[in-house]
Formats: sequence, structure tokens, C-alpha cells
Amino acid sequence: EAGVVQSPRYKIIEKKQPVAFWCNPISGHNTLYWYRQNLGQGPELLIRYENEEAVDDSQLPKDRFSAERLKGVDSTLKIQPAELGDSAVYLCASSLEWSEAFFGQGTRLTVV
Amino acid sequence: DAKTTQPPSMDCAEGRAANLPCNHSTISGNEYVYWYRQIHSQGPQYIIHGLKNNETNEMASLIITEDRKSSTLILPHATLRDTAVYYCIVSDLNTDKLIFGTGTRLQVFP
Repeated sequence: EAGVVQSPRYKIIEKKQPVAFWCNPISGHNTLYWYRQNLGQGPELLIRYENEEAVDDSQLPKDRFSAERLKGVDSTLKIQPAELGDSAVYLCASSLEWSEAFFGQGTRLTVV
Repeated sequence: DAKTTQPPSMDCAEGRAANLPCNHSTISGNEYVYWYRQIHSQGPQYIIHGLKNNETNEMASLIITEDRKSSTLILPHATLRDTAVYYCIVSDLNTDKLIFGTGTRLQVFP
């Protein structure tokens, strides 16, 4: 069975440009997470979905970040416009309710 | 903020047991202890979790103290491929929220 799939694997953009990350969770997993991981730090939760509903987006910088999970399956995380400080690895994870989370390999974003 | 405290780094000889400690003195009654690890350039990987009883699976053993204020993850026979950052997390299953700290960087040497 395929795990959590993220794309792209790497992305380099200039500051002020938009960028989007895509996540395909494990089939049947109703919970989906987006995390951001800065170098040398643990992952930081940005948003958590239960099916198509965002149930925790308190850490999502809403002035420039947005996310959606249409039909409760795939999800997209967008940054517009990107800033230098947004350089990080963006991780997607999914889980069944009340079960362990499975993570994708992440998208490494570099803003120059 | 993370509710756990872990040493920043540890070393272990290949073939020996790696014992990774974690303090979670403010854990509440409905919070589980989870362990994940992250190998370089990969996403975190689930290892094991428990509530109050000791747990064992094919990857590791989890020992939780009786007062639940601390726990130890045991890798019984560490290999070079176990070199990773290990995260101890306390989480309420009802919220499904995993808050990571900075973890313990385990280096397994030959």
C-alpha cells in the first residue's frame, strides 16, 4: 500500500512568489495534518483536518498561508506571497481516527 | 509547547541496547505517550505508544513509570540504521494533536 505522497519533493522560488504543495494521504485516512519543520527543530503543526473540515488551524499564518482539502481526500497548502523565512520542510501526515500518524517525505522549500 | 523533555543527544554502540529517556511530568490521565523517529531527509516514523502499561512491538519497547511522569524507549539491539532523531510526544487521543519538541539525536556507532 502506498504511503503518504507529497509533491514536489523540492521547490526553489524567489521571494514574493506564490507556491503550492500537494498531499495525497493514505486511502481511508480521515485525519490529515500539515506540519512545517525548520532546520534543527521538530515539526510544528500548521493545520489539521478531519475529513474536509479544518478542526485546528490556530498555528496557520492566515495572512499568507491557505489550505484546502476538497472531498476530504487530497490536500493543498499554499503560500502567497512567500518570504525568506518560509524556507523549511513542509510535511503532510494522515491517520485514522485515534491512531498513529503516517508522514510523507516532505517538500523542501527554499525561498531566495 | 511540547510537554516533554529529552536529552539533546545520545550515543550507542551497534548491537547494544539504546535507552532513550523522556520526562513528561505534567502528563494528564487521558494522554498517551508516543514515540516517533526521523531519519535524515525523511518524514517522522511512528515507533510505539502507550498509556500506562509497558508496550513492546517489533521495533522497540516502551517502559512507562508507575506515576507516568517519565518513560524510556528501548531499542534492544541498535543498528547503524537506527541513527535518527527520536521524539517523545504526549497526546490526547481525543484531539489527535501531535506536538513535537526537539527530540534526542541518537548516533549509533560501529
